[in-house]
Amino acid sequence: GESVGLHLPTLSVQEGDNSIINCAYSNSASDYFIWYKQESGKGPQFIIDIRSNMDKRQGQRVTVLLNKTVKHLSLQIAATQPGDSAVYFCAEKGPSGAGSYQLTFGKGTKLSVIP
Amino acid sequence: DAGITQSPRHKVTETGTPVTLRCHQTENHRYMYWYRQDPGHGLRLIHYSYGVKDTDKGEVSDGYSVSRSKTEDFLLTLESATSSQTSVYFCAINRESLGGYTFGSGTRLTVV
Repeated sequence: GESVGLHLPTLSVQEGDNSIINCAYSNSASDYFIWYKQESGKGPQFIIDIRSNMDKRQGQRVTVLLNKTVKHLSLQIAATQPGDSAVYFCAEKGPSGAGSYQLTFGKGTKLSVIP
Repeated sequence: DAGITQSPRHKVTETGTPVTLRCHQTENHRYMYWYRQDPGHGLRLIHYSYGVKDTDKGEVSDGYSVSRSKTEDFLLTLESATSSQTSVYFCAINRESLGGYTFGSGTRLTVV
């Protein structure tokens, strides 16, 4: 619920403006990255993903950028709407290995949209 | 949520009592996961399963056990609940070909 957003960095954006949410990942060998959105009282929801052989991927109103040189991932939301208010976090997957497929999650950023 | 359900959604229990949370999927996926989510910590992996009767520990497995006797159900048990286990618990499935995980709606557990 609301406790998900405690202790998180917060980004406040005016409705209609673009939002940029950043994430630093830890493993230079990670080969797959995902952005999730979590609304209050709900489970995380997949937004967009990108593989390490790409540096940009676009979806509907969202774009993910990957900079492997500095291990940085960003999520851009165009024309931010009140319904975009949520906690956003990134996840990375290390190189595939036998026995498991695990994601490591960042702590998240809380996006607040000002009407 | 896309074929994954958690029960119960909310539970209050007393310290020292056993608690079992259930995760049920309808899509026959091999990998299932249990996470806990706490302010300041994000999602932390408790246990995961890569098939029937095949499970392994995550980073915060102490005080928890799991069982997977059939593909569709993954159970998380707190053998003797403590206040530090008050949290929101999420189950996830790995839909592999579609990428990423799909999460359940969560179970809010309060240990008093």
